Amino acid sequence: AAGVIQSPRHLIKEKRETATLKCYPIPRHDTVYWYQQGPGQDPQFLISFYEKMQSDKGSIPDRFSAQQFSDYHSELNMSSLELGDSALYFCASSRMGEQFFGPGTRLTVL
Amino acid sequence: GQQVMQIPQYQHVQEGEDFTTYCNSSTTLSNIQWYKQRPGGHPVFLIQLVKSGEVKKQKRLTFQFGEAKKNSSLHITATQTTDVGTYFCAGPDSGGSNYKLTFGKGTLLTVNP
Repeated sequence: AAGVIQSPRHLIKEKRETATLKCYPIPRHDTVYWYQQGPGQDPQFLISFYEKMQSDKGSIPDRFSAQQFSDYHSELNMSSLELGDSALYFCASSRMGEQFFGPGTRLTVL
Repeated sequence: GQQVMQIPQYQHVQEGEDFTTYCNSSTTLSNIQWYKQRPGGHPVFLIQLVKSGEVKKQKRLTFQFGEAKKNSSLHITATQTTDVGTYFCAGPDSGGSNYKLTFGKGTLLTVNP
């Protein structure tokens, strides 16, 4: 069965640079979520999209933005990166409530 | 905002022993979900409980949803080394299919063979 695809899997950036993370949800899933997970932490909800419209917003910094495109893939754009942005970023998709997580993008900010 | 508390934070058991993690929400939940995350992996959906007092079983795993729909538990019977990982409960902030989840802090289970 198709799973959620995220790219890249690993990303290394310098402080103040920008990063773009991509997510390809499971086909026919209507909702996409973005989470940030620090080491030893639980996933923290950032933002979600339902049918390409932003549906909920969590603790997402103003430096971050996201969108969902006509083909349902989503991108998380992160600017002015800080050391504290180093984390695992998960994308998840759902259709009926249960969320299917992608493998994540490990972002390291040096 | 909604808070989801989970205990214990860590649990180390000998293989064959039982394990239980408890989850408590500050608000009544429409449903509760459980996820497992292996070390270095991503959260994997285990189950969703919807009804008050609901009990569901998956082989050696037993999930319960409290009568007041504010607490839940996951019990593993006779743990195996393959059970190692962090178990998270998660509750939605609002009803409907496009909601966000608030995760508990998780319980990290380690199993000594």
